[in-house]
Amino acid sequence: EVQLVESGGGLIQPGGSLRLSCVASGFTVNSNYMSWVRQAPGKGLEWVSVMYSGGVTYYAGSVKGRFIISRDNSKNTLYLQMNNLRAEDTAVYYCARDVAVNNYYFYMDVWGKGTTVTVSS
Amino acid sequence: EILLTQSPGTLSLSPGERATLSCRASQSVNSGRLAWYQQKPGQSPRLLMYDASSRATGISDRFSGSGSGTDFALTISRLEPEDFAVYYCQQYGSSPVTFGQGTRLEIK
Repeated sequence: EVQLVESGGGLIQPGGSLRLSCVASGFTVNSNYMSWVRQAPGKGLEWVSVMYSGGVTYYAGSVKGRFIISRDNSKNTLYLQMNNLRAEDTAVYYCARDVAVNNYYFYMDVWGKGTTVTVSS
Repeated sequence: EILLTQSPGTLSLSPGERATLSCRASQSVNSGRLAWYQQKPGQSPRLLMYDASSRATGISDRFSGSGSGTDFALTISRLEPEDFAVYYCQQYGSSPVTFGQGTRLEIK
């Protein structure tokens, strides 16, 4: 069964760091594009970051320079290192498998259940 | 960045009725690269449609998508109780990918 399971969320003070993990089963992370998408409380979806199968990464402007996406092929796991966290980063963070289009664009066909990050003092 | 505006914000209908949800883009979406997702309370989003009109695996044929350029629609032909949820469109024709703000489909 194809599945994504996120972990690592929690309550963190502004300026702090947190690392989210996403363990995949039923497919190989490094053979797919993989994204992080977040959803602030009561709000819509916001794409955060993507890692292409070849290792290229991109970020939303709101997190560029603060967040780092990476993967561990031996663990079939995707990560999101979040630094210098702000109150506006408070959200449920979803890991998603992407369907690549023309080697650049993508949409999400498999989603995890999400992990909650709360940034507050 | 392409801005997607979904309307209406909330749609109140009864089971058995037909629902039409709109997604309008601030500029043309290349090659009709638009997806639709369904999200129920406390759940993660689920892919319904891609390439504007192609149904994802396992999605009922009561769901259909249409449109091109800047105007897209998701139609649910006969609403079932399980269809009441929030629906999001997403464009993947330009970078960065962007989502609409969502339409809440509620039981009247």
